[in-house]
Amino acid sequence: GENVEQHPSTLSVQEGDSAVIKCTYSDSASNYFPWYKQELGKRPQLIIDIRSNVGEKKDQRIAVTLNKTAKHFSLHITETQPEDSAVYFCAAVQGYIPTFGRGTSLIVHP
Amino acid sequence: NAGVTQTPKFQVLKTGQSMTLQCAQDMNHEYMSWYRQDPGMGLRLIHYSVGAGITDQGEVPNGYNVSRSTTEDFPLRLLSAAPSQTSVYFCASSPPTGGNGNTIYFGEGSWLTVV
Repeated sequence: GENVEQHPSTLSVQEGDSAVIKCTYSDSASNYFPWYKQELGKRPQLIIDIRSNVGEKKDQRIAVTLNKTAKHFSLHITETQPEDSAVYFCAAVQGYIPTFGRGTSLIVHP
Repeated sequence: NAGVTQTPKFQVLKTGQSMTLQCAQDMNHEYMSWYRQDPGMGLRLIHYSVGAGITDQGEVPNGYNVSRSTTEDFPLRLLSAAPSQTSVYFCASSPPTGGNGNTIYFGEGSWLTVV
């Protein structure tokens, strides 16, 4: 089955810095790669996603890149703000079933 | 649309007790699933369903049962609760994919403690 590795597990940055979270996947049949943000005590919510026919997607301060050949994808957050502090999960999806990474706890210091 | 609704939000069980976590969605989604979330372990799939009458096991199915008698409902049953089942449980649903992945919508979560 699919295996998703996510790094780092914890990321601490100063407000205004950029943050990058990286994920690798094992199954070349995976074709959809969403990223979820989970604030403390809340449900995971989709923040951005990318499909396998696209290399990069941007939405304001967040962007995702996908390298299908290397089987890795990354989340980039620019100009980080304290409200970006949360746990971020990547996932690789084949058909219905997503496989999630273990999460990255992002801490943005004011 | 209410989205994905799960109940209860908090529950304390004694070892050996059984209970059912309820999950309902009003978006006519084919795919529904249950995850448990433990510190440092991410979201682990317990059971899933790709339509009414169809269920299958995920990564950590032991100790849990599911059924899918309607498109809307997907209850999770703990047969004989154990302290190892203390966790946060999320129900999720997704629209038809047409062979491609699609957005997963999560319920608000159920915090379960087994003592």
